[in-house]
Formats: sequence, C-alpha cells, structure tokens
Amino acid sequence: GENVEQHPSTLSVQEGDSAVIKCTYSDSASNYFPWYKQELGKGPQLIIDIRSNVGEKKDQRIAVTLNKTAKHFSLHITETQPEDSAVYFCAASRRGQNFVFGPGTRLSVLP
Amino acid sequence: NAGVTQTPKFQVLKTGQSMTLQCAQDMNHEYMSWYRQDPGMGLRLIHYSVGAGITDQGEVPNGYNVSRSTTEDFPLRLLSAAPSQTSVYFCASSLGRAGTEAFFGQGTRLTVV
Repeated sequence: GENVEQHPSTLSVQEGDSAVIKCTYSDSASNYFPWYKQELGKGPQLIIDIRSNVGEKKDQRIAVTLNKTAKHFSLHITETQPEDSAVYFCAASRRGQNFVFGPGTRLSVLP
Repeated sequence: NAGVTQTPKFQVLKTGQSMTLQCAQDMNHEYMSWYRQDPGMGLRLIHYSVGAGITDQGEVPNGYNVSRSTTEDFPLRLLSAAPSQTSVYFCASSLGRAGTEAFFGQGTRLTVV
C-alpha cells in the first residue's frame, strides 16, 4: 500500500522567510496530493492540493510542486507570518483508495 | 452550515469502560471516516464508510466499532477502553473516498486511565 514520508518533522523560520516542507510517496498510481494545516486545538483544514496532471499550483503565498518521476511533492510558503505557525500534513491518494497522511511538520514562525 | 460536528471535545475513561464518540455532518457527504492522531504518527485511519449502511476497516480498526445508519451520522464506539486508545480522534467527511477535500471535525481528546 501507499506510504507517505514527510520532512522535516519540525521547522523554525524567521518571520518573512520562506518555508519548504517535502513529502515522498511510494505508490506511482497516486494522483491527488492535498496539504492540510492544523492549528492548535482544531481539526486539519485543506490549504492547497494538486493533481498528478499538474506540476505546480499557487495560491497567494502558498505553492505546491509535484515531481511524479521522483514521487515527491513539496509545500512552499513565502513571506511567512506568525499565523502560519501550525502543524502541516501532506497526503496522497488514488481512485478507490483512502488517503494516506504523512506524519506532519510542526512549523514555527518566529517574530 | 456547521460542517462536521464531533462530541464530546474531551473525555476521560477508565480502562474497560465503553463509550461512543459522536460525529455528524450536514454537507450530504457520502464518505465519512474516523482517524486517530498520535504524536509523530500523523493521522491513521480507523474505519470509514462510503455511504449509509456500508462500513469498512482502515489501518488501525482493532478495539473500535462503527455503524452508518444515516448519511449524516457516523459514531465510533470503544467497547472496552484501553490505555493504548489514549489519543485525539478526528471525524472527517468528503464527497468521495479520494480526490476530494476532506472536512474535519474539531476532534475529541480521549484519555484512558
């Protein structure tokens, strides 16, 4: 079955710097890759997703890139702000299969 | 529009006790699921349902039961709680099993002593 690895497990950046979180997946048939943000005491919430027919997707300060050959995808956050501090989860899935989540990255944005 | 509602938010159980975690969604989603979240292990799937009357096991189903009598509700039952079930539990719903956004509840923090 699918296995998703995520690095780093913790990340601290200065406010205004960029943050990058990388995930790798094992199932070459996976075709949907969402990223979720979990704030303290809340449930995860989708922030961006990408499908296998697209290499990159942007939404304001957030972008996701996908390398199908290498089976990895990354979340890029530019101009980080304190409210970006949270735990971020990547996930992978394919038709007829459940999501498999990565172990999460705790991002701290230092003022 | 409430989305996904979980109750209770916090619960302490003694070993061997039983309880039901409630989950309800008002988005008419066919797919619902339960996850547990443990430090460093991400979200692990316990049970899921692709529609009313249909349930199946996920990655870590032992010690948990589910049922899906209506589209809206998907309760999770712990029949005999064990300390290993101490965790944060999340219910989620989505239009489909994969490839669509999953909406999560606020979570239930369960401690088994």
